[in-house]
Amino acid sequence: GENVEQHPSTLSVQEGDSAVIKCTYSDSASNYFPWYKQELGKRPQLIIDIRSNVGEKKDQRIAVTLNKTAKHFSLHITETQPEDSAVYFCAASIPGGFKTIFGAGTRLFVKA
Amino acid sequence: EAQVTQNPRYLITVTGKKLTVTCSQNMNHEYMSWYRQDPGLGLRQIYYSMNVEVTDKGDVPEGYKVSRKEKRNFPLILESPSPNQTSLYFCASSWGEGGEQYFGPGTRLTVT
Repeated sequence: GENVEQHPSTLSVQEGDSAVIKCTYSDSASNYFPWYKQELGKRPQLIIDIRSNVGEKKDQRIAVTLNKTAKHFSLHITETQPEDSAVYFCAASIPGGFKTIFGAGTRLFVKA
Repeated sequence: EAQVTQNPRYLITVTGKKLTVTCSQNMNHEYMSWYRQDPGLGLRQIYYSMNVEVTDKGDVPEGYKVSRKEKRNFPLILESPSPNQTSLYFCASSWGEGGEQYFGPGTRLTVT
């Protein structure tokens, strides 16, 4: 079945620096790749997503890139701010249903 | 206000005592799903539903049951809870596959 690996598990950056989180997936049929942010004690919320027919997508300070050949996708956060501190999850969805596999998460700390 | 609600938010129970966690959404979404969140393991899908009376297993369905008799409700049933089902549970809904998932506030379950 589908497996999603996410790295690193913990990331600490200085405010203003960039942060990159990487995920790899195993099922080449996966076609939808969302990223969710979960603040402490809160529910996960979508921050950006990308579909398999697109290589890159950007939304202000956040961007996601997808390499279908290598089966990996990455989240890029530029000019990090303390409020970016949270756990970030990548996920992959297989078409034809609602099966969604999440990565184990990355805890991002942004130091002021 | 568009939302996904779960009840109860916190539950402490004993091994073997049947329980139900309710989930309801008011967005007329067809797709609904249950996840459990455990430290270091991310979000793991338990069951999902693509429409009324249509359900399927996720990655970790053992020990759980679901039903989808109405579009807005998707209860999670633990017929005989065990301590290894102690976890944080999230319900989510979406307009369809490849769409943003809206998560409920979570239910923290402890089985002693």
